[in-house]
Parts: sequence; structure tokens; C-alpha cells
Amino acid sequence: TQLLEQSPQFLSIQEGENLTVYCNSSSVFSSLQWYRQEPGEGPVLLVTVVTGGEVKKLKRLTFQFGDARKDSSLHITAAQPGDTGLYLCAGEDRGSQGNLIFGKGTKLSVKP
Amino acid sequence: NAGVTQTPKFRVLKTGQSMTLLCAQDMNHEYMYWYRQDPGMGLRLIHYSVGEGTTAKGEVPDGYNVSRLKKQNFLLGLESAAPSQTSVYFCASSWGGTFSYEQYFGPGTRLTVT
Repeated sequence: TQLLEQSPQFLSIQEGENLTVYCNSSSVFSSLQWYRQEPGEGPVLLVTVVTGGEVKKLKRLTFQFGDARKDSSLHITAAQPGDTGLYLCAGEDRGSQGNLIFGKGTKLSVKP
Repeated sequence: NAGVTQTPKFRVLKTGQSMTLLCAQDMNHEYMYWYRQDPGMGLRLIHYSVGEGTTAKGEVPDGYNVSRLKKQNFLLGLESAAPSQTSVYFCASSWGGTFSYEQYFGPGTRLTVT
């Protein structure tokens, strides 16, 4: 069974701080996605990484896919209160007709 | 362009009652999914569909049934609700195909079974 472990589970920081959240597995994924979910809403896709070692930037967010395609990280620079939410990583499950394996998420709170 | 919509947004059921949750997407996506989200458990796949008229079981299918009679709609049914089915339910859709499994989610349905 493929599993994705996210750490930390909870993170509370002050506005302006930097942070990194991690998504780890013992399995190889064809691609990995990051979503952000705000309270009372559905997850919204932020980025998809496909190639081992790939780095993608989305404004102050930097996403990296591990060389072996088993892990990923999300780094936020100078966090803002608008970054508050639940960050989910999801790996594409090979041979399972498009199903994604979701991690349990990192709940981020950025205080002004 | 509404994306993925879900009906209803909130519902309270008594144990043993039945109900149907409706999901609709206007993006012409082939694949559709139903998840439940519980505290500490993450998103768990209930059932999914890879095209009109097809459905398949996910990780936690027991107590649920689904139908995909039209490409744009995916229905989730609870025949005899149980308190363990209290959860937030999300529908999602995607194009399908390798590297094209990016999913678009609806706003969710909060279901309470008493």
C-alpha cells in the first residue's frame, strides 16, 4: 500500500517567517501534486511536479520533487496570513486509473 | 463556468435514513471521484468513475453506492445512514490520463448522522 507522510502536522508561525513542509513516501510516484484547502472549502491545486529533482516556484512558494520521486517539499518565504490553510500532498497512484494517494496534510497558521 | 458543484451543502440525517448527494461538473472531465474527509484521517476515496456508465470502488466503499448516468454528473447514495458516516464529503473531477490526474474539487457537503 502506498502511503504519503506529511510533516509537521501543525505549524503556527508569525507573519514574515519562512517555513518548509515535507511529504515523504517509500514508494515512487509518477507525479506529485500540492493542494491548499481553506476552512469550509474544497482543496485547490497549487502545483504538479513530474520529473525527479524538479523545482517549481509560485510567487513565494517553492516546490521540489525528490530525485527518486519518493518525496517532496514546499517552502514558503515570508509567510503571510493569507497562506493559512491545510496543505495536502497527493501522489499519482500508478496502475490505479487516475487515483491519487493523499497525505493527511499540514495545518498552517500564520499570525499577523 | 461553475467548475464542480455539490448539492446539498449541509444535511442532517437520522440513523437509517437514506439520501443522495449530487455532484456536477461543467469541464467535460472524464474522471470523477467521491471522497470523505475526517479529522486526522485525511481524504479517503469512496468510489470513482473513469467515464460515463462506469464506476469502481475506492478505499472505503462500504455503505455507499454511486451512479454516473451522465458524463457531467456523479451521484453518491447512502441507503441506510449510520453515525460513522458523519463526515465532510467532497466530489472531484479530472481529465484522466498519465500526468493529467490533477483534480478539481467541489466545495463539499457536511453530513451529520444522529
